[in-house]
Amino acid sequence: DAMVIQNPRYQVTQFGKPVTLSCSQTLNHNVMYWYQQKSSQAPKLLFHYYDKDFNNEADTPDNFQSRRPNTSFCFLDIRSPGLGDAAMYLCATSREALYQETQYFGPGTRLLVL
Amino acid sequence: AQSVTQPDIHITVSEGASLELRCNYSYGATPYLFWYVQSPGQGLQLLLKYFSGDTLVQGIKGFEAEFKRSQSSFNLRKPSVHWSDAAEYFCAVGVNSGGYQKVTFGTGTKLQVIP
Repeated sequence: DAMVIQNPRYQVTQFGKPVTLSCSQTLNHNVMYWYQQKSSQAPKLLFHYYDKDFNNEADTPDNFQSRRPNTSFCFLDIRSPGLGDAAMYLCATSREALYQETQYFGPGTRLLVL
Repeated sequence: AQSVTQPDIHITVSEGASLELRCNYSYGATPYLFWYVQSPGQGLQLLLKYFSGDTLVQGIKGFEAEFKRSQSSFNLRKPSVHWSDAAEYFCAVGVNSGGYQKVTFGTGTKLQVIP
């Protein structure tokens, strides 16, 4: 089945130790998004790629970076995780970047920072 | 800027009872509206969406939602709740932001279903 896959499902890292979260998709969608969802809060968009074009949200900390080496894969890099970065990180895709497009979500990676 | 309000943080219903989850939005034009469901530890799954046309939208798992422009609302309903419906429900609005889609989510409503 076509889908959005996130690895790992759970990630434990140490304070200040760089960590990379992975997302892949078999939908061949042009757009890939990364959201941060803290406990009992709404998902918050960090950034998205339209093909190779990177679009950062204005309030996304510099500590968060992303790479999209090809259509199928997108990575979220947290350069120096702080305790406040512990959250669920959701990857989503959409066929196009139009505002009526449905976004398809992966199962998420839960990040714990010790 | 657009916003979404889900006034009920937590709702408890009995299995078999009807359900209505409230959602109000704020946006200058007609938005694109979505309802997503999130089971514990899982990602979000689309239940239904409204773009235009018939204001009563049918979705998966027996859910429906009604768009009411005059009330800026997009409430989610189900006539008979099943125990497997226990989850968190997010209302969202999609708008055009600099040529790209931006989806703003509400803070969610947690649904508990009791026997």
